[in-house]
Amino acid sequence: GAVVSQHPSRVICKSGTSVKIECRSLDFQATTMFWYRQFPKQSLMLMATSNEGSKATYEQGVEKDKFLINHASLTLSTLTVTSAHPEDSSFYICSASGPGPYEQYFGPGTRLTVT
Amino acid sequence: GQNIDQPTEMTATEGAIVQINCTYQTSGFNGLFWYQQHAGEAPTFLSYNVLDGLEEKGRFSSFLSRSKGYSYLLLKELQMKDSASYLCAPESRNYGQNFVFGPGTRLSVLP
Repeated sequence: GAVVSQHPSRVICKSGTSVKIECRSLDFQATTMFWYRQFPKQSLMLMATSNEGSKATYEQGVEKDKFLINHASLTLSTLTVTSAHPEDSSFYICSASGPGPYEQYFGPGTRLTVT
Repeated sequence: GQNIDQPTEMTATEGAIVQINCTYQTSGFNGLFWYQQHAGEAPTFLSYNVLDGLEEKGRFSSFLSRSKGYSYLLLKELQMKDSASYLCAPESRNYGQNFVFGPGTRLSVLP
């Protein structure tokens, strides 16, 4: 089946620094990738939709200048959390629209802790 | 817009049957996904319904009524490993609103 990887799986950074999270579709081309954030005991919240070669579409309330998304190729999307703050600590998950219909393939997630 | 409602928590016994309901109000509704998410892990796909009716897949079945904005996930012969969150996710055709998760239902399966 289709596989999506994320790197890193866990990252700890200091407040004020930037962190980049990579999302890769390993065996298929993903024209659309999604980025989610999940706080403890809460559901996944869609942050942005990323289409290859174009600007990401951000959900209401998500700061595009703080969460930079780049989808430069059909197999890679990156999320950069700029000037991270402790409240950005969360579980970040990407998903990709696969080659087949109807399904989203999720990456394993990245646990970000900002100290 | 999106408005999705699921019970927050449910408890059931091993071997039993449990039904997890989801109601939604989704503009541009296209279909509905159910996902399972174990703690600390990414969600995994369970089912996708586009047409009204019940679709069965092993121990799990999913039902959709488009006119009522209602779906349920039916889990039979519950096992301890079924303890997880179950996320209802209506899909919308509207740009920028393709895929939104409900609040999730935390299911605890007891021995």
